[in-house]
Amino acid sequence: EDQVTQSPEALRLQEGESSSLNCSYTVSGLRGLFWYRQDPGKGPEFLFTLYSAGEEKEKERLKATLTKKESFLHITAPKPEDSATYLCAVNTGTASKLTFGTGTRLQVTL
Amino acid sequence: DAGVIQSPRHEVTEMGQEVTLRCKPISGHDYLFWYRQTMMRGLELLIYFNNNVPIDDSGMPEDRFSAKMPNASFSTLKIQPSEPRDSAVYFCASSFGGALLEAFFGQGTRLTVV
Repeated sequence: EDQVTQSPEALRLQEGESSSLNCSYTVSGLRGLFWYRQDPGKGPEFLFTLYSAGEEKEKERLKATLTKKESFLHITAPKPEDSATYLCAVNTGTASKLTFGTGTRLQVTL
Repeated sequence: DAGVIQSPRHEVTEMGQEVTLRCKPISGHDYLFWYRQTMMRGLELLIYFNNNVPIDDSGMPEDRFSAKMPNASFSTLKIQPSEPRDSAVYFCASSFGGALLEAFFGQGTRLTVV
């Protein structure tokens, strides 16, 4: 069974304090790894898809990387508006199913 | 496009009652997904459709849950009878081309069964 573990569960940063969120996975045949952002009371919002080890993608202050066992979401010089829950998900096999981790709640303070 | 539209946003019902959640996907999308989110288990896939046909319902917790997609612009998730443990936020999402591409989520329906 596919497993996705995210750490830490919660992270509090000061504005400008860079850090990384981790998503480790145990799956057979990774087809894609996804990062979503979820604000309170809203549905998840797509950030990135990574398809193979070594791949990197960037969007504003966020950079996602992928190895054969884990993915990192690096946040550079975060701002309060980056506060949200960040979800990691994997797709394996031939089905169109995503298995989500339980997320990292990020709070960025002034 | 207005995005994925779910209704109602909030539903409070008594145990044993029937609950119907509704979803309008983004026009042109050929995949529709129903998820359930709880604090304990996170976001779990219940069922997904491709071109209005149910493809995988292995995540549906039990026979009390059923989902339909009568046409490309409408889907329902029904719980009958409802139980307190069904309390959760239910999300509908749609995509074009399957789960390997970006999925767009609705705002969710917060269900409380008392």
